[in-house]
Amino acid sequence: GAGVSQSPRYKVAKRGQDVALRCDPISGHVSLFWYQQALGQGPEFLTYFQNEAQLDKSGLPSDRFFAERPEGSVSTLKIQRTQQEDSAVYLCASSPRTVSNQPQHFGDGTRLSIL
Amino acid sequence: AQRVTQPEKLLSVFKGAPVELKCNYSYSGSPELFWYVQYSRQRLQLLLRHISRESIKGFTADLNKGETSFHLKKPFAQEEDSAMYYCALLNNAGNMLTFGGGTRLMVKP
Repeated sequence: GAGVSQSPRYKVAKRGQDVALRCDPISGHVSLFWYQQALGQGPEFLTYFQNEAQLDKSGLPSDRFFAERPEGSVSTLKIQRTQQEDSAVYLCASSPRTVSNQPQHFGDGTRLSIL
Repeated sequence: AQRVTQPEKLLSVFKGAPVELKCNYSYSGSPELFWYVQYSRQRLQLLLRHISRESIKGFTADLNKGETSFHLKKPFAQEEDSAMYYCALLNNAGNMLTFGGGTRLMVKP
């Protein structure tokens, strides 16, 4: 009965490096979401998957951000040529079905620090 | 565009006092609203949602469409209620939660 699992928990990278953040949703959950949470702020939507299809990526801040979920389970958020403003906690959430108003279950997040 | 505002960054009360965490929203569609809570060193978790009309851990929240508000209330705060509280709005497509900036509740003994 594991919840949403994210790895790594902490990531430190130098400016300009590429990073990859992983999310394992709850087994069987169809919907998967990524959020970015800057220090002292609420989470902000990045992107949404329904199974393997990325249906909404309107929240991705730039073309340096890329997310995938090739087999409809595990998802990876990749950030290329990282900048200091990318420092934040990246949260992943999943929900069981495509029907709206289903609550989202969150992981612990990955805290990304760009030096 | 949808927007959620939590005007208080910090709310400090004594144990046993009433608590009200404010949340205002703007959304052109029919809103679905939630309160999420994050206790120290724990993950963000759902506290309650307006469609359920439920009371969780003594907390309630009523959707007021006229005032576009969804304030969270508890008549008698407990020390274990100390946490970060986030109000969130789900869009009609059900694929995007918009969060407020959060309110830190501190309940003093």
